[in-house]
Amino acid sequence: KQEVTQIPAALSVPEGENLVLNCSFTDSAIYNLQWFRQDPGKGLTSLLLIQSSQREQTSGRLNASLDKSSGRSTLYIAASQPGDSATYLCAVRHGGSQGNLIFGKGTKLSVKP
Amino acid sequence: GAVVSQHPSWVICKSGTSVKIECRSLDFQATTMFWYRQFPKQSLMLMATSNEGSKATYEQGVEKDKFLINHASLTLSTLTVTSAHPEDSSFYICSASTSNTGFFGSGTQLSVL
Repeated sequence: KQEVTQIPAALSVPEGENLVLNCSFTDSAIYNLQWFRQDPGKGLTSLLLIQSSQREQTSGRLNASLDKSSGRSTLYIAASQPGDSATYLCAVRHGGSQGNLIFGKGTKLSVKP
Repeated sequence: GAVVSQHPSWVICKSGTSVKIECRSLDFQATTMFWYRQFPKQSLMLMATSNEGSKATYEQGVEKDKFLINHASLTLSTLTVTSAHPEDSSFYICSASTSNTGFFGSGTQLSVL
């Protein structure tokens, strides 16, 4: 059974710092991996999608890496801003393009001005 | 990007009543819709997978007679929580699937008194 773990559970940093969020999964037979952002009262926002054959994806100040063999992914946020404060979720997909997502518990990030 | 509309955003109801949550894909056809729920400090957990025109597939531990899912068209799926109890209080979120990713609704916070 796939289990997704995110460390740390919560993180507080001053504005401007670079930071790394970690995600690990127990079954490496994934179809892809996604990082999401969850804001209170709002839906999930997909940040980055990494296919199982890829090693990393970048979008603006965000960079996500994937090491499928070791069951790890990281989300790197450069030059953090107060607007980055949210819960970040990692999720892996099994069973092909229509498979369901298995989520970690998330990392709650607080960026202080 | 694709938009998924989920209503209501929040609902408070008395124990024993039924609550219906709608999930609509506004600008695309979703052959598969997923329903998740998230208890405080827990992961988003898949409840059921719904394919248009067929019965939903429920995850282990999810009562199909309590959580009624209807997916009558390619753009609409509904989740009805029947005879809701306080332990059903949770955040419910839908995802409409297309190609290799899913688009999420904004979620529904259900509080059962």
